Amino acid sequence: DAGVIQSPRHEVTEMGQEVTLRCKPISGHDYLFWYRQTMMRGLELLIYFNNNVPIDDSGMPEDRFSAKMPNASFSTLKIQPSEPRDSAVYFCASSLDRGGSYNEQFFGPGTRLTVL
Amino acid sequence: AQSVTQPDIHITVSEGASLELRCNYSYGATPYLFWYVQSPGQGLQLLLKYFSGDTLVQGIKGFEAEFKRSQSSFNLRKPSVHWSDAAEYFCAVGARPGGTSYGKLTFGQGTILTVHP
Repeated sequence: DAGVIQSPRHEVTEMGQEVTLRCKPISGHDYLFWYRQTMMRGLELLIYFNNNVPIDDSGMPEDRFSAKMPNASFSTLKIQPSEPRDSAVYFCASSLDRGGSYNEQFFGPGTRLTVL
Repeated sequence: AQSVTQPDIHITVSEGASLELRCNYSYGATPYLFWYVQSPGQGLQLLLKYFSGDTLVQGIKGFEAEFKRSQSSFNLRKPSVHWSDAAEYFCAVGARPGGTSYGKLTFGQGTILTVHP
């Protein structure tokens, strides 16, 4: 399996622009997670989905952030408008609920976002 | 709510020395426990996990961890550290089926390991 795929790997944008991060989970996995990692705040869970349905979005910083999962093989995290404080590495992870290792998460390589 | 504490932000060891990274968790029952490693510029990779049974679990790269219920701990150990082990290490706890927050992991703040030659 190719693992969790994220694109782009690097994104540099200017303040006020819309940013869209993409994630393809491991085939067959039914959970998908979006994290943000910064030096100051560490690894933060933003939102997660189960069977394409958002379960908990309490970690989404504000209304500028939105996430969708239109099907089992694709998810997006959108920031509109972007701000310099959004600069971070954004990780996508997926896992499979199989009653024994259901929440062993597999992480993608991350997208490093820089907002100027 | 579940939580994880990694008391050591940064640890430095010499190559060949033994290693122990501390992890304490808070959870109402026996949780699922994990250790992940993150090399610079990379995503997180699973080292080992504990679900039930033998409280000493073996992982990849020669790592092991011991679940101690009485101490609410899940410390990571390695008998002899290699320079390639330099990375950041994260402990995580997950709720069992039926628990709140089922499906997600709560991560500690991480411990950065530096290895001196």
